[in-house]
Amino acid sequence: GAGVSQSPSNKVTEKGKDVELRCDPISGHTALYWYRQSLGQGLEFLIYFQGNSAPDKSGLPSDRFSAERTGGSVSTLTIQRTQQEDSAVYLCASSLGYSDTQYFGPGTRLTVL
Amino acid sequence: AQSVTQPDIHITVSEGASLELRCNYSYGATPYLFWYVQSPGQGLQLLLKYFSGDTLVQGIKGFEAEFKRSQSSFNLRKPSVHWSDAAEYFCAVGSYSSASKIIFGSGTRLSIRP
Repeated sequence: GAGVSQSPSNKVTEKGKDVELRCDPISGHTALYWYRQSLGQGLEFLIYFQGNSAPDKSGLPSDRFSAERTGGSVSTLTIQRTQQEDSAVYLCASSLGYSDTQYFGPGTRLTVL
Repeated sequence: AQSVTQPDIHITVSEGASLELRCNYSYGATPYLFWYVQSPGQGLQLLLKYFSGDTLVQGIKGFEAEFKRSQSSFNLRKPSVHWSDAAEYFCAVGSYSSASKIIFGSGTRLSIRP
């Protein structure tokens, strides 16, 4: 069984450009999470999906960040007008359901020049 | 406020020595507790978790952790470390009432001395 996959693995972009990060959760997992890990820091919760809805968006750092999930599966995290402080590793995780163990993908390393 | 503290930023132990990584939490509800490991260039892997029941939890790779409610701690232990254990270790806490948001500690980097 495949684990959580994320693409791209690395993304270098220029300040001001928009980027899209993709997450494919484990098949059958209804819950999906996005986190951000800055250099030398722990994980910062961004957003959580249950199915296609996002009951908890409290971690999104600004209105430049948005996320959607379609078909209860793939999720896309979009960062508009990227800033240098957005540079980080963006991690996606999925779990079977509410309160179940989260399984993490390998992450997307975003570098904003 | 809910929080997780890993007081040791970096620990170095000799190969074959015992290991204890500290984790303290502050959480209003009954906590779920996790330890994750992140090896260089790899994703986070779950080592073990505590939801309820026996407070001594066995995990993968020979790790164990003990939940001590009175001390608000969930320290990770291993009797004898191997060079391959060098990695970053993260403690995390959640609860059934707020399982959508698991709070992670800032991590402890473990180095192994040959």
